[in-house]
Amino acid sequence: DAGVIQSPRHEVTEMGQEVTLRCKPISGHNSLFWYRQTMMRGLELLIYFNNNVPIDDSGMPEDRFSAKMPNASFSTLKIQPSEPRDSAVYFCASSSRDRGIRGYTFGSGTRLTVV
Amino acid sequence: AQKVTQAQTEISVVEKEDVTLDCVYETRDTTYYLFWYKQPPSGELVFLIRRNSFDEQNEISGRYSWNFQKSTSSFNFTITASQVVDSAVYFCALSEANGANNLFFGTGTRLTVIP
Repeated sequence: DAGVIQSPRHEVTEMGQEVTLRCKPISGHNSLFWYRQTMMRGLELLIYFNNNVPIDDSGMPEDRFSAKMPNASFSTLKIQPSEPRDSAVYFCASSSRDRGIRGYTFGSGTRLTVV
Repeated sequence: AQKVTQAQTEISVVEKEDVTLDCVYETRDTTYYLFWYKQPPSGELVFLIRRNSFDEQNEISGRYSWNFQKSTSSFNFTITASQVVDSAVYFCALSEANGANNLFFGTGTRLTVIP
């Protein structure tokens, strides 16, 4: 298995631009999570899906953030318009309902820089 | 409510010393999972161990060992004979079986192993 695949690995964009981060979970995993990591706030959950349905989006900072999971093999996290304070590493993770042997598998992350 | 506390922000040890990273958790759920992840300087989150709440057996994997004690709500991680490659940020995390299945992280402990 190729693991959780995120793209792009790095993204530099100007303030006000739209940014789309992509994630392909592990095949067979039915839960998908988006996390954001910053020095100030550590690892925080933004949103997660079970069986492609958003379950909890209370961690999404504001309306500028949106996430979709149109099918079991793809999810996007969009920021529109982006702001410098959105600069962070964004991780996608997937798991099976019983967490499996290895629990949650994380992608390599997308390092976003908004200038 | 779930909470994971890693009181040690940073630890420095000299190579070959043993080091223990502390983790204390809070949960109302009777069934839950505990995890440790390693984040090396390259940034990815590497799974180390998953533990079920009903299995209090300690575990050893090479130089790594974990001490799970429900009575004190602790899940401590010991590295024996530390090596420079162990330098990383280590995260303890909790997932409840009966509530939302997302993963709650502690704030992490940065371990520096000095050659």
